[in-house]
Amino acid sequence: QQKVQQSPESLIVPEGGMASLNCTSSDRNVDYFWWYRQHSGKSPKMLMSIFSNGEKEEGRFTVHLNKASLHTSLHIRDSQPSDSALYLCAARANYNVLYFGSGTKLTVEP
Amino acid sequence: EAAVTQSPRSKVAVTGGKVTLSCHQTNNHDYMYWYRQDTGHGLRLIHYSYVADSTEKGDIPDGYKASRPSQENFSLILELASLSQTAVYFCASSDRLGGLNQDTQYFGPGTRLLVL
Repeated sequence: QQKVQQSPESLIVPEGGMASLNCTSSDRNVDYFWWYRQHSGKSPKMLMSIFSNGEKEEGRFTVHLNKASLHTSLHIRDSQPSDSALYLCAARANYNVLYFGSGTKLTVEP
Repeated sequence: EAAVTQSPRSKVAVTGGKVTLSCHQTNNHDYMYWYRQDTGHGLRLIHYSYVADSTEKGDIPDGYKASRPSQENFSLILELASLSQTAVYFCASSDRLGGLNQDTQYFGPGTRLLVL
């Protein structure tokens, strides 16, 4: 069973709209979460990380974390076509070993 | 930004042949990883290493070996390549020196492997 589950598998939003992506872990040993973004044909790059309960905002991107439910979400406001990518959630359950979800493919339509 | 390079960038191999993928990092990171990614999907951990001359198994180690001859270099070896090993392979590195970037992984550009 995958340690990290992401939903939805794919998401289409209009340009300027809000995109909301979800990630949950089934492993009670998970403590930290990351969100990576991977454009088509490129390597994943870290977008945001969150270690504490609550919310973290960086520009148009906001991440929420609920450690009790091991749920994190990524929200992208004012979505742009350049935001179209595969978004990967990663969780740490053992030192320096990250477990990645299958990703959410986001398409922002002009 | 952290620098991780991989070679080759793409390779065509024959079933049953030996394939070696190489990774080099100049970040002075202790940890290095090999992942595979199947089209449109997430990353699965094959092997990782936290010190030279030592490797650890990840989630899907079967059919793969790893070698870490130095802090900077980490290789993935497919002794008998199979069709099911067609995928994109990513190498990554990270450190544990603390700070906000602790455990953040930096990825190489990937190697596209096609086994025929």
